[in-house]
Parts: sequence; C-alpha cells; structure tokens
Amino acid sequence: GAVVSQHPSRVICKSGTSVKIECRSLDFQATTMFWYRQFPKQSLMLMATSNEGSKATYEQGVEKDKFLINHASLTLSTLTVTSAHPEDSSFYICSVGTGADTQYFGPGTRLTVL
Amino acid sequence: GENVEQHPSTLSVQEGDSAVIKCTYSDSASNYFPWYKQELGKRPQLIIDIRSNVGEKKDQRIAVTLNKTAKHFSLHITETQPEDSAVYFCAASRNTGTASKLTFGTGTRLQVTL
Repeated sequence: GAVVSQHPSRVICKSGTSVKIECRSLDFQATTMFWYRQFPKQSLMLMATSNEGSKATYEQGVEKDKFLINHASLTLSTLTVTSAHPEDSSFYICSVGTGADTQYFGPGTRLTVL
Repeated sequence: GENVEQHPSTLSVQEGDSAVIKCTYSDSASNYFPWYKQELGKRPQLIIDIRSNVGEKKDQRIAVTLNKTAKHFSLHITETQPEDSAVYFCAASRNTGTASKLTFGTGTRLQVTL
C-alpha cells in the first residue's frame, strides 16, 4: 500500500494562531487525498477531499475559510487551521486514495490549542 | 449520504475466543467495505476489505462477510490474541472510478483478556 507521512506529529499553539499540517505520499502519486478529524474516543470524520491542482471539496459543516487545504503536487497536501481555538484541538489524519478505493492513512497530527 | 452503524461499541473476549463486529450501511450503491484497526494514538491500519461482488473473504484469523440484500457486513476474528486489542472501524464507500470517500462506523473497542 501507499506510504504516507505527516508533519508535525504534535503541535501546541496559542489560541488565535494558525497551524499548518503537511501530508506526504512517499511512494504513490496521489491525485486525491483526504483529511479527517478524530476527537478522543470517536470515529474519523471526513473534513474534505483534497484534489491535486484544484479546489478541495469540503464536507457539510466544515468551514473552508478556517481549514485551508492546498494540494499543489501529487505528493503533498497541506491543511492550515487558521485562527485556531481550543475547540479545534483534535487528532488530524490524512489519507491517500488509491485508484482501487483503498485509503492509506498518515500517522496523524495531534493539535492542542491553548 | 451514506450512514454506517457499528455494534457493539465495546467487546471483551478471552484469549483464544472469537470476536464478531457487525456493521450496517444505508446506501445500496456502496460497493467497497474496508475494516481498519487503530491502536491508541496511532493511524488506522487496513486489515481486510471486501467488495460487493463477493460474499466472504478470509485472511488467516480474520474474515469478513457481506450481505448486500440486508446491507450489513461483519468482521470475524478467530483465536484472538492480546495484540488484537484495539479499536476497529468499519467503513463503506461507493466506487466512482476515482478515489472514493469513506464513511466510517462509530468504532468497536475490542479487549482481549488473558
């Protein structure tokens, strides 16, 4: 399967600052990547579908101006949480979609907003 | 959109016993059903998947069954071991020819006791 990395693995920031999370597909040219958010003891909730070279598609209820997604190459997608607040604290996980439906996940980024 | 329900939410079995986790889905057009295992603080890892053209698939101690008519699918783990302890998520998606977004179940916390 695809090998996916994320950076950083953990980040702590102050309320009101912006945080950028990188998702890299190391061995697969990913035209599509997905961003999920997972709160403690909950399931993965899809935030948006990141398409290389075009605008991301956001799920209902996810603010596109708050969660900026850029997918400028076949190996890199970034998620920027703008003006982060404590309620944005969560585990953010990206995945790479292969053409055969299967998704492979990155190791996740734990965001803590103070 | 798709809705996936998963039961039970927690499951405790003794080592060597079998564990069964069940999921139902709502979208009859869904045709891909993966199962992921997630250990605490780690990424979800694909353990087995099934497509709608088959009714059962097995990989060593793990098997998945699919009933398209009833729109439910199940994960079976035999001869459970302590390292099987984790949270298991089922998911469903509809293949559109490109990478498809997954809808996840709520998760099952499996504990295998000695």
